[in-house]
Amino acid sequence: EVQLVASGGDLIQPGGSLRLSCVVSGFIVTSKDMSWVRQAPGKGLEWVSLVYSGGITKFADSVKGRFTVSRDQSKNTLFLQMDSLRAEDTAVYYCARFSSGRFDYWGQGTLVTVSS
Amino acid sequence: QSVLTQPPSVSGAPGQRVTISCTGSSSNIGAVYDVHWYQQPPGTAPKLLIYANSNRPSGVPDRFSGSKSGTSASLAITGLQAEDEADYYCQSYDNSLSAWVFGGGTKLTVL
Repeated sequence: EVQLVASGGDLIQPGGSLRLSCVVSGFIVTSKDMSWVRQAPGKGLEWVSLVYSGGITKFADSVKGRFTVSRDQSKNTLFLQMDSLRAEDTAVYYCARFSSGRFDYWGQGTLVTVSS
Repeated sequence: QSVLTQPPSVSGAPGQRVTISCTGSSSNIGAVYDVHWYQQPPGTAPKLLIYANSNRPSGVPDRFSGSKSGTSASLAITGLQAEDEADYYCQSYDNSLSAWVFGGGTKLTVL
């Protein structure tokens, strides 16, 4: 059974850094394309990042240069490193498996609040 | 302002049929890219509902169907049930933005 469990969300001050984790089961994290999607409070979904199984990464313009993504196969975990955080980064962050242009399995989300 | 445009809300009585539209442009839906639909009940994570325009993942009832034509797509729900009350999002790829894009979401209310 495929499962994704995201964690690491917190209250962080503007300009700060945070690392989110997404532990996956049911497949090997480096064998599939993986993504992060966020949802600001009361708002819609916004794609944030994608890492292809081969390691190539892509980011939304809104986070490019501030966010990075990595994977640890030994822990079967996907990470999102978020630096220079801004108030507008406040959102629930979902990790999702990506396949043929769609997000086919989603984690439960973790809340990041950027505020002083 | 979302790249893909959806109505903010739709409603229907139990047993009725509703449709949700998703309008894009020549750089996304009107290009070669598929449209996918997600269902998000209140307080939960999104779930893939329709993929590649009109296909249902295993376990999704056949009351849900999707279609695509030109620069638009549509999600239809027949035999409305109370449990269908949720937010629904369309999604595709935009080649001018080089990004995966979502519609703004449609809140379905079952009266």
